[in-house]
Amino acid sequence: QVQLVQSGAEVKKPGASVKVSCKASGYTFTNSYMHWVRQAPGQGLEWMGIITPSSGSTNYAQRFQGRVTMTRDTSTSTVFMELNILRSEDTAVYYCARGPRGSWLYVDYWGQGTLVTVSS
Amino acid sequence: QSVLTQPSSVSGAPGQRVTISCTGNNSNIGAGYDVHWYQQLPGTAPKLLIYQNNNRPSGVPDRFSGSKSDTSASLAITGLRSEDEADFYCQSYDNSLSIWVFGGGTKLTVL
Repeated sequence: QVQLVQSGAEVKKPGASVKVSCKASGYTFTNSYMHWVRQAPGQGLEWMGIITPSSGSTNYAQRFQGRVTMTRDTSTSTVFMELNILRSEDTAVYYCARGPRGSWLYVDYWGQGTLVTVSS
Repeated sequence: QSVLTQPSSVSGAPGQRVTISCTGNNSNIGAGYDVHWYQQLPGTAPKLLIYQNNNRPSGVPDRFSGSKSDTSASLAITGLRSEDEADFYCQSYDNSLSIWVFGGGTKLTVL
């Protein structure tokens, strides 16, 4: 069965960087897009961007351009999301989510989420 | 402010029917992009509930249904059950912003 297992919670200081991992299993890793979505405490969902695991190509939401980098390691079926120059407003749960084969327009499986807390 | 507009809350008694609306514009839903719905139970990750406007993934009860018309979409839940209490989010794509867009979420309370 499809599983997306994310790395554990992080606490960071303002200005620092965080790198969250998402290990996929149960399907062919390079056949599906992977998205990153975040959710601030008590707030809604916000799309950050997408990576194509087969090629490594990425597309980021403009508001994160220059601060976010999404990468992948096909040998371990893992995608990574690194967010730099963290601010308190970046405190959120970060989710990786898989697009079904052939579509980048929605996701069918989600990771369990990684809480990133930014605090001095 | 979310690009897609949803009511912040809806409620209904067990067994009743409720609907959740999702209103967009001509850059997203009105441009022909599909609408998808996610259910987020308290303290858990979202789960795909409806995809491509009106399709249910395997395992989702047929009490849940979706529809789309012009610049809006709706999620209907019939035969409400206490375990349906959750937050529901609609999602689509916006071609002027070139991003996925979500509704602000609707909290369903089963009275």
